[in-house]
Amino acid sequence: QSALTQPRSVSGSPGQSVTISCTGTSSDVGGYNYVSWYQQHPGKAPKLMIYDVSKRPSGVPDRFSGSKSGNTASLTISGLQAEDEADYYCCSYAGSYVFGTGTKVTVL
Amino acid sequence: QITLKESGPTLVKPTQTLTLTCTFSGFSLSTSGVGVGWIRQPPGKALEWLALIYWNDDKRYSPSLKSRLTITKDTSKNQVVLTMTNMDPVDTATYYCAHLHASGADFDYWGQGTLVTVSS
Repeated sequence: QSALTQPRSVSGSPGQSVTISCTGTSSDVGGYNYVSWYQQHPGKAPKLMIYDVSKRPSGVPDRFSGSKSGNTASLTISGLQAEDEADYYCCSYAGSYVFGTGTKVTVL
Repeated sequence: QITLKESGPTLVKPTQTLTLTCTFSGFSLSTSGVGVGWIRQPPGKALEWLALIYWNDDKRYSPSLKSRLTITKDTSKNQVVLTMTNMDPVDTATYYCAHLHASGADFDYWGQGTLVTVSS
């Protein structure tokens, strides 16, 4: 079971949109509607941002959205803000669980 | 509210067995659909899922580490214990426990993590 593939980094200016991809296989991302996304600031525990591909937990701003097509899931941050600068990880159910390789989001 | 906290040694020697305890509050591991998982993160690296135990004692393990891991629960103490045998310096990481969203497949509450260093 290999880690899901994410771009190492993405960047954008305040107010812009960025999208992070998460590519797996038909055995994980493509096989279940159980993709979640986590935000992690330095030295902090991960925080759930998206679950079940596109659902937002209470308290997560609606500028965070998720989607999936085939074996690739995506997280889009619209209206980028300074506090969005962090590492982001996807995770998929696959009978067990598998995390992505992580993406660093930089706000220019 | 739901809280989780990891505890255990901060330093272990190579070949030793690591035992970590996750003590939680705000939910019961006897409630249908609930689970507790363990995830680790080596310094500067990505998250890696390790193991999960469900309310019904169903257990899941990372295929690559399955031979070294054991997860158990003590419902009366609100604790989940993870043991990892034959520790190696590459196992140096921050170890997190997390609550599995009831009847879901996401980790909605996390502990603060505990850094375990493997060194002689």
